[in-house]
Amino acid sequence: DAKTTQPPSMDCAEGRAANLPCNHSTISGNEYVYWYRQIHSQGPQYIIHGLKNNETNEMASLIITEDRKSSTLILPHATLRDTAVYYCIVRVLVGGAQKLVFGQGTRLTINP
Amino acid sequence: DVKVTQSSRYLVKRTGEKVFLECVQDMDHENMFWYRQDPGLGLRLIYFSYDVKMKEKGDIPEGYSVSREKKERFSLILESASTNQTSMYLCASSLGGTGNYNEQFFGPGTRLTVL
Repeated sequence: DAKTTQPPSMDCAEGRAANLPCNHSTISGNEYVYWYRQIHSQGPQYIIHGLKNNETNEMASLIITEDRKSSTLILPHATLRDTAVYYCIVRVLVGGAQKLVFGQGTRLTINP
Repeated sequence: DVKVTQSSRYLVKRTGEKVFLECVQDMDHENMFWYRQDPGLGLRLIYFSYDVKMKEKGDIPEGYSVSREKKERFSLILESASTNQTSMYLCASSLGGTGNYNEQFFGPGTRLTVL
């Protein structure tokens, strides 16, 4: 399985953009990059995913480098509610199901 | 609204007991998953199922079994609970197929303590 590497923790000021990096140097051509987050005492929540193009939705933007070896999740205007652990995941297909391999994630703290 | 529910939020069991953790989804999803989450180890996949009566081992299946008799329900079974199975257990579901993407929807988790 492709492995991802993320910084263990980051801080960001409220209202500023939070940029969360992820390395996935062993990713193969057909593997997607997913981002989930987990707010304390809740199950993980899907944020965004991408293959090779940059993606944007109502929650965040995902920038994937041209060689696909790394990506950055951008929360454009972080709020206190964005404090969570953010997981960068590479999807693996096993049989008919998609297997998500969660790493340690980045604990993002948004400061007032 | 999409919903994955787990039978208990907190559970305390004794060593050697048989434990059932139930998960139900109301989204008609084909795929269902069981993870455990431990400090410093992140989420690890125990078992998953991509169809009724089908199951696949995840990364840490030892000491666990699963049952999927109906599409909406996926049960995790600890045949003889041990203290090292004290953990947060998370269930998830997703649409089937190998299409573009199938977001996994997670339940709130069951915190199991084995004494």
